[in-house]
Amino acid sequence: AQKITQTQPGMFVQEKEAVTLDCTYDTSDQSYGLFWYKQPSSGEMIFLIYQGSYDEQNATEGRYSLNFQKARKSANLVISASQLGDSAMYFCAMRVTGNQFYFGTGTSLTVIP
Amino acid sequence: NAGVTQTPKFQVLKTGQSMTLQCAQDMNHNSMYWYRQDPGMGLRLIYYSASEGTTDKGEVPNGYNVSRLNKREFSLRLESAAPSQTSVYFCASSETSGGNEQFFGPGTRLTVL
Repeated sequence: AQKITQTQPGMFVQEKEAVTLDCTYDTSDQSYGLFWYKQPSSGEMIFLIYQGSYDEQNATEGRYSLNFQKARKSANLVISASQLGDSAMYFCAMRVTGNQFYFGTGTSLTVIP
Repeated sequence: NAGVTQTPKFQVLKTGQSMTLQCAQDMNHNSMYWYRQDPGMGLRLIYYSASEGTTDKGEVPNGYNVSRLNKREFSLRLESAAPSQTSVYFCASSETSGGNEQFFGPGTRLTVL
């Protein structure tokens, strides 16, 4: 079965602190991709970061990094130095064979001043 | 370069009415997708088209039909709308493989009374 699980419905973080958003996945495919998207209250979906299943190094994009642990099937998003503008819903997604995507249920992040 | 466009932005239907949601992308992407987003459910794939001329069912296809009109356009049709189809609908596109993320349209907020 193909599945993405995000177990944290809501998270709070103090401004300028780091926060980790959890994501676990399940797939029998050997080749797959893992993505994180941000959805602010305005509703658009914003791509943040990508990790390929064969990539040995964790992906980083500015303040975002993806902590990829293949054996544990986890792909956690780490946001460093949180900003007020980081308050949003965050979705983990997986691309599998046939270019089909699966999304988790999301984590609502609130950054506290 | 408009990216992914969707029409309409908002729609209210009565139970049993039909309508078509339009989606177009100008990025020359091969793959296109239709999702619905419901509170607490994340994004669920309705249908996708891996390439021009092909369409496949996603996780929640019942009550919907799609047409990949050409490489640019992918429409979603509700033949007989039901209140359970009240949702926000997102269209997305991506290149076929690799670390290519999905690009999303702005969404259509549909209410079925």
